[in-house]
Amino acid sequence: EIVMTQSPATLSVSPGERATLSCRASQSVYINLAWYQQKPGQAPRLLIYGASTRATGIPARFSGSGSGTEFTLTISSLQSEDFAVYYCQQYNDWPPDTFGQGTKLEIK
Amino acid sequence: EVQVLESGGGFVPPGGSLRLSCAVSGFTFINYAMTWVRQAPGKGLEWVSFISGSGHTTYYADSVEGRFTISRDTSRNILYLQMDNLRADDTAVYYCAKRTTDSGFNYFDSWGQGTLVTVSS
Repeated sequence: EIVMTQSPATLSVSPGERATLSCRASQSVYINLAWYQQKPGQAPRLLIYGASTRATGIPARFSGSGSGTEFTLTISSLQSEDFAVYYCQQYNDWPPDTFGQGTKLEIK
Repeated sequence: EVQVLESGGGFVPPGGSLRLSCAVSGFTFINYAMTWVRQAPGKGLEWVSFISGSGHTTYYADSVEGRFTISRDTSRNILYLQMDNLRADDTAVYYCAKRTTDSGFNYFDSWGQGTLVTVSS
């Protein structure tokens, strides 16, 4: 089973600044990686798939990069609605689909 | 518009059973695989089970193998999760998600709002 590790667990950033979230896979997943956003009391929402392709309706301030075992989600110019928990998920070697433990993005 | 709506959660004692349902609309159900994902209180996301569009292929997480059964009724556009021999660590919000395969990429692009299952004596 591929283990996904996200860092940091919590990231404090001021509105308008850039946030960089990391995700590491225990073995190569090529670009078979997705990112999800989850706000309190809500279901996860797909942001990015294929490591860098934005899902439908996702603002351009969200970008994904990386391949193999190292991935990054960057949110440029944070908006108030962006403060949430973010999860990465690999689908290269499944089942199981495995998620990272999440990064909580909070207001500084 | 794609809609995904779970139901069937509730309070159940250890060893009990529960069947979750997930009603979908806005897409051709038989063309898409579906997945259950759960989230224990205050914890992260955990994949639980997968079923192919035809229903012929199913997979389960090790933690639920032999206790949970995923199925689908393509005539009614409903996904099910039969949960037997429930344990306290099955307590979670259970999400139903549509799994899209596109150009070799797989992702969960539509999620329900979740249904809470609480296993406790």
